[in-house]
Amino acid sequence: QVQLQESGPGLVKPSQTLSLSCTVSDGSISSGAYYWSWIRQHPGQGLEWIGYIYNSGSTYYNPSLRSRVTISVDPSNDQFSLRLDSVTAADTAVYYCARKTGLYYFDYWGQGTLVTVSS
Amino acid sequence: QSALTQPASVSGSPGQSITISCTGSSSDIGNYKYVSWYQHHPGKAPKVLISEVSNRPSAVPNRFSGSKSGNTAYLTISGLQAEDEAYYYCSSYTSSSTYVLFGGGTKLTVL
Repeated sequence: QVQLQESGPGLVKPSQTLSLSCTVSDGSISSGAYYWSWIRQHPGQGLEWIGYIYNSGSTYYNPSLRSRVTISVDPSNDQFSLRLDSVTAADTAVYYCARKTGLYYFDYWGQGTLVTVSS
Repeated sequence: QSALTQPASVSGSPGQSITISCTGSSSDIGNYKYVSWYQHHPGKAPKVLISEVSNRPSAVPNRFSGSKSGNTAYLTISGLQAEDEAYYYCSSYTSSSTYVLFGGGTKLTVL
């Protein structure tokens, strides 16, 4: 059973950078077969895809966030990361990391971590 | 507003069947087989129930089934059980630059 676990600050000040990491338990981050993804859920709303990275280093971002988002991968530590710049209160959400297959579904997810943007 | 439209809530009694709809467009559900469904119990990791419209992972009970007609996908749960009470989300590939769309989620209440 693959496990993904998000980690990072739960509180970020406006205009600063949100940084989260996701640790993958089974070593599949080095397999080259998956897309490592970030998804968020604003309070009381549905899911919003943020972006994903393929092991080749290719990144794909939601156009609405592209100017502020960076996703990177560190196979040596079985981790991938999310960086979201210049955050505002509108970025307050539960952030999930997930593994996407080549068939456009997410087969494993983390439990999510709440990030609040507030001064 | 989410790109895929789901009913906010559905309910059913134990043993009954319910169906959740997910409506998109010809840019996503209507022309692609990459529709998936997820079950989410708050505080836990979401779990995939259905991929590629109707494929069910081996660990998912066969009470869960998926289908599609035109621009709308459906998740049917038969033989409702108390533990099915959760939020359900649909997702689809889209030919737009967004790549992935989600629905707004449906809360299932087992009466």
